[in-house]
This record gives sequence, structure tokens and C-alpha cells, in this order.
Amino acid sequence: DAGVTQSPTHLIKTRGQHVTLRCSPISGHKSVSWYQQVLGQGPQFIFQYYEKEERGRGNFPDRFSARQFPNYSSELNVNALLLGDSALYLCASSLGLAGEIDTQYFGPGTRLTVL
Amino acid sequence: AQSVTQLGSHVSVSEGALVLLRCNYSSSVPPYLFWYVQYPNQGLQLLLKYTSAATLVKGINDFEAEFKKSETSFHLTKPSAHMSDAAEYFCAVKQAAGNKLTFGGGTRVLVKP
Repeated sequence: DAGVTQSPTHLIKTRGQHVTLRCSPISGHKSVSWYQQVLGQGPQFIFQYYEKEERGRGNFPDRFSARQFPNYSSELNVNALLLGDSALYLCASSLGLAGEIDTQYFGPGTRLTVL
Repeated sequence: AQSVTQLGSHVSVSEGALVLLRCNYSSSVPPYLFWYVQYPNQGLQLLLKYTSAATLVKGINDFEAEFKKSETSFHLTKPSAHMSDAAEYFCAVKQAAGNKLTFGGGTRVLVKP
């Protein structure tokens, strides 16, 4: 079975631009979460989506937004890019079952560089 | 708020030696605990998880971790290091409600021949 896929793998943008990152979850998984991993640090939670609705949001500014589509794939959008947005953006998918331990499986990430 | 502390940002071990990576968490209720591994330029791969079924958890590639509630710890061990174990390891905690994983800062493992 295919794992979590993300596109693009690398991206270079300049300050002030916007970016869209894409994620396809494991087949059968209905929940997608996004994380930002700055170089040398652990991943930080940005969003969780389940059945196209936002279920959780981390401490990130409103420049960050996301959505989930009927096929459970997801997009992360970042507007007005800052140098500090340079990071590896990780997508994780899970079953999203209520009341169950919901293990997250991660994709390879998108490396965003803001110049 | 929950947090995770990984003692030692870098660990160097000889091939064949014991690997010990330390993780302590703070949480008001017993959480779910995870160890992930990240190889260079890759995403995170799940090594093992604690879900309250057993305090000693076995994972892939001969890794195991022991949950100690009294010490709020979930240390990761492997009896014999292999060159392929060179990577960064992350401990993470999650509460029963919600899907947010809170990660530690990571420990980079170097394996010397």
C-alpha cells in the first residue's frame, strides 16, 4: 500500500509570496495533520482535519490555513511568507477513529525555503 | 500543557554497543507515548508506541521502550547498535482527546565503527 505522499518535495519562494503544499493520506485514513519542523527542532503541530472539518489548531498565525477535500487529501496554504517559515512541512495521516489510539503516519515532507 | 524533554541532543555510540535515549514527559493524565525515527532528508517513521496495554513496548529493528509512570519517563533502548541506526530520534506525547502530537527536541545518534 502507498504511504502518505506529499508534493512538491522542495520549494523555493521569496518573502511575501504565498505557497500551497499538498498531501494525500494513506488509503482508508480520514484524518490529516500538518506539522512544521524547523531545522534542528522537533515538529510543531499546525492543524488537524477530519472529514473536511478542522479539529485542532496549533499556535500559528492566521497566515497559515488548510483544507481537506472529499477524497481526504489536504492542502496547507501559507500567505505573506516570512524567512522564518523556512522549514520541513510534514503531513501525517491517521484513521481518525473517535476514542481509539490514533497512530499518525508521516509523509516525506516538503522542504520550503524562503529567500 | 504537556511537554516532552529529551536529554542529550547528540549521542555517540560504538557499533554493537547499547543505545539509550532518554525521554521525560509532563502531563496531567497518563498520555499515549511514541518514538519516531527520522533519517536524513526523510519524514518520520514510527518505531513504537505506548497505549497502556503493557509498560514494556517492543518496536521495529529491536528497539524497545519502558513506560515508568513514577518517573514520567519513556526511555528508548536497543541492545546492539548498528550503523543503520544513525538518525534522529523523536519522543512524542498525545492525549486521548485530539490528534496533536507534542514532540521533544530530538536526539541525533551517531554510530562509530
